[in-house]
Amino acid sequence: ETGVTQTPRHLVMGMTNKKSLKCEQHLGHNAMYWYKQSAKKPLELMFVYSLEERVENNSVPSRFSPECPNSSHLFLHLHTLQPEDSALYLCASSQGTSENEKLFFGSGTQLSVL
Amino acid sequence: KNQVEQSPQSLIILEGKNCTLQCNYTVSPFSNLRWYKQDTGRGPVSLTIMTFSENTKSNGRYTATLDADTKQSSLHITASQLSDSASYICVVSERGSTLGRLYFGRGTQLTVWP
Repeated sequence: ETGVTQTPRHLVMGMTNKKSLKCEQHLGHNAMYWYKQSAKKPLELMFVYSLEERVENNSVPSRFSPECPNSSHLFLHLHTLQPEDSALYLCASSQGTSENEKLFFGSGTQLSVL
Repeated sequence: KNQVEQSPQSLIILEGKNCTLQCNYTVSPFSNLRWYKQDTGRGPVSLTIMTFSENTKSNGRYTATLDADTKQSSLHITASQLSDSASYICVVSERGSTLGRLYFGRGTQLTVWP
């Protein structure tokens, strides 16, 4: 176990549904990340939170809405998704955001949009 | 343009054999290079991280090399085991940046057959 827990592990939703992905880290880190991993493509950074403040937002569509209520928890709220949003969504955490910090990933949520 | 290219895209070897995976990058200025192992349906797990001054680093049967002059890295796996079947991802960090500026390769999918 990496100390980063994601739920649910699998999610199937229709395009009109609203759902949320949850991430919790037990490592005492102060930065958390959402990544999207599509088949045959490199990981894409979606959002970065440092000390509960969003510090990075890579032009992600507004149908993805992050929330970081404290340094241990991170959510990704989903609404009116498209089939091309089907992917593995990975949460990660680190102690600080400097270039030499280690990233610890959760096991991901495999999302299918029908 | 900062990029990370990995080869081969996929590789099949027999259990007990050695193999070498390649990573070429154009990221500049360079800070560090990381290799991750990602089992199917799981998040990436860190194997090694190397800075500019390091040209080799081992983690059990995994040995990573770095040539910062030619901007190439390799991951050598010795005496492969069935559990080595996974995707291996090369990640490069840009100096002076944050972890929000990591450059990911597409990964090499390794399959070890008995």
